[in-house]
Amino acid sequence: GAVVSQHPSWVICKSGTSVKIECRSLDFQATTMFWYRQFPKQSLMLMATSNEGSKATYEQGVEKDKFLINHASLTLSTLTVTSAHPEDSSFYICSAREGRGNQPQHFGDGTRLSIL
Amino acid sequence: QKEVEQDPGPLSVPEGAIVSLNCTYSNSAFQYFMWYRQYSRKGPELLMYTYSSGNKEDGRFTAQVDKSSKYISLFIRDSQPSDSATYLCAMSPGNNRLAFGKGNQVVVIP
Repeated sequence: GAVVSQHPSWVICKSGTSVKIECRSLDFQATTMFWYRQFPKQSLMLMATSNEGSKATYEQGVEKDKFLINHASLTLSTLTVTSAHPEDSSFYICSAREGRGNQPQHFGDGTRLSIL
Repeated sequence: QKEVEQDPGPLSVPEGAIVSLNCTYSNSAFQYFMWYRQYSRKGPELLMYTYSSGNKEDGRFTAQVDKSSKYISLFIRDSQPSDSATYLCAMSPGNNRLAFGKGNQVVVIP
């Protein structure tokens, strides 16, 4: 159980384009989903927390107009990297937590984003 | 001082050996403790989740928490080449926030 699917797994696009990444909880309802960024050989850096039906909470230093997050249902959250530039190239990982309370986060397999 | 300290390794062991990993933390508010395994170019996979001091066993994996010493450990018995991965400790005070260790790269040599 507790499977989180992330799509696409890898995307290459030109500078200036926008890229949408989807995160789905397949077998549970996720009230809260999280978006992380991971640089090579480093740990995960939380970008934002999204709750179903409300605006996402962004971490300090993360541009909300650059990284648009939508959590329209209990099983789907999307991250859109707008007007992407080479410095946005990274490994983006989502996670989801079942229900409320102190359940652990379950992670998707990540999206490798390369901006040319 | 970082909230969570984890020696990044790498750690190489022969197949069949016991792998021992640990993290220390400074925030006494942490109440929930997790170990994740991350293969290259994949997301972290939850291995163990515990919220009380003591040992928790699941197959070849044992998680140990010592809240008085602010120290957690993960032991992998009878290690296999497929256990070669990066292991991340993570902990939470009970809100949405997870504090991660840097990750410990483990290589099990056949």
